[in-house]
Order: sequence, then structure tokens, then C-alpha cells
Amino acid sequence: AQSVTQLDSQVPVFEEAPVELRCNYSSSVSVYLFWYVQYPNQGLQLLLKYLSGSTLVKGINGFEAEFNKSQTSFHLRKPSVHISDTAEYFCAVSGEEGSNYKLTFGKGTLLTVNP
Amino acid sequence: KAGVTQTPRYLIKTRGQQVTLSCSPISGHRSVSWYQQTPGQGLQFLFEYFSETQRNKGNFPGRFSGRQFSNSRSEMNVSTLELGDSALYLCASSPRGGMGYGYTFGSGTRLTVV
Repeated sequence: AQSVTQLDSQVPVFEEAPVELRCNYSSSVSVYLFWYVQYPNQGLQLLLKYLSGSTLVKGINGFEAEFNKSQTSFHLRKPSVHISDTAEYFCAVSGEEGSNYKLTFGKGTLLTVNP
Repeated sequence: KAGVTQTPRYLIKTRGQQVTLSCSPISGHRSVSWYQQTPGQGLQFLFEYFSETQRNKGNFPGRFSGRQFSNSRSEMNVSTLELGDSALYLCASSPRGGMGYGYTFGSGTRLTVV
């Protein structure tokens, strides 16, 4: 079965500082990886996705993530955060046979950007 | 292009009652998935429908059911509500679902069971 581990439940940072949100996955076959963001009282918004090809994926709002197959990781990064980036971030995986029509999510990382 | 629409946004029900939630996918999307989000369990997959057929189901009791109509709109039903069913229920649509198509989520229905 596929699974996702987000290593930090909370990450506080100061505005304009860089940030990395860590995500590790477990799967026996090739996977597709996603990062979603959730603002208070809203649904999930797709930040970026890795399907194949280049391991560095660029998304919206200046975020990027790097797929590392040997370390089974898909960490999310942003070089300089803004107050408006305060939200909960979810890493997700799909693609394993028998689980092909669903996303398996990590527990989420709450990013708090302080002035 | 309109996004995924979920109705109602908020709902308060009493234990033992049943509830029906509605989801209208993005026009042209034929796959609709449902997820339950709670502080303790996080985001958990309920089921996925494509062309009116359930293709995948999560590990939830039979009180949770769903269906999809010919226009791709979907409903989920929870019977005999329990306090633990209080959650944010999210619907997601996709052109075909699965693989790397990606899913667009609605704003959710916040269900409170008292």
C-alpha cells in the first residue's frame, strides 16, 4: 500500500526567509506526486505535481519541489515566503495499482509565516 | 470556467439522522471523488465515481454511500449519523481520474453532528 509521511506538523518561519516542507512516500511502483495547499475554511488547491520527466517541478506562487526516487522524497521549497503563504500544506501520492483512482495524503504541515 | 461546487457549505445534524451532500464537478470532468477531513485522521478517501460507476472505495462503513448521475454530478449519503462523522467533506473532480490527471477540489461541506 502507498503511504505519505510529512515529517513536520508545524513549520514557523519569518517573512522573506526560505522554507522547505518535507515529504517522504512509500510505494512499490511508480507514483505520481502532488502538493496541495489549504487556506482556512477552504478546499485544497493544487500547487504542483510530478508525473514524469524533470525531477524539479515548478508550481504556482513561487513554489517548487524536487522528486528524489532513491530517497523516496518530494520536498517542497520556496526561496522567500510571504505572510499570505500561511496555510496548511499536504503532500499526496497516487498511481499504485489498485489505488489508481485516489490520492493518499500526508497528515499535513502547517506553515506559519511571521512578520 | 466554474470550479467544483459543493452544497451546502455548512450543515448541522442530530445523531441518528441521515444527510445527503451534493457535488457538481467542473464541466467536462467525468470523475468525482469524495474525501473526509478530520483533525485526528486527516484526509481520507471515501470513494470515486466515473461515468456513474464506482471504481474505488475507501475503508469506511456501509453507512457511507454515494452515486453519480449521468451529468457527472455526485451525491454522497451518510445514514445513522454518529458524532464521529463530524468533518469537512471534500469533493474533487478530474477529467478521467487516476494516474496523473490531477484533481480539482471544491470548498467542502462542513458537517457537524450533535
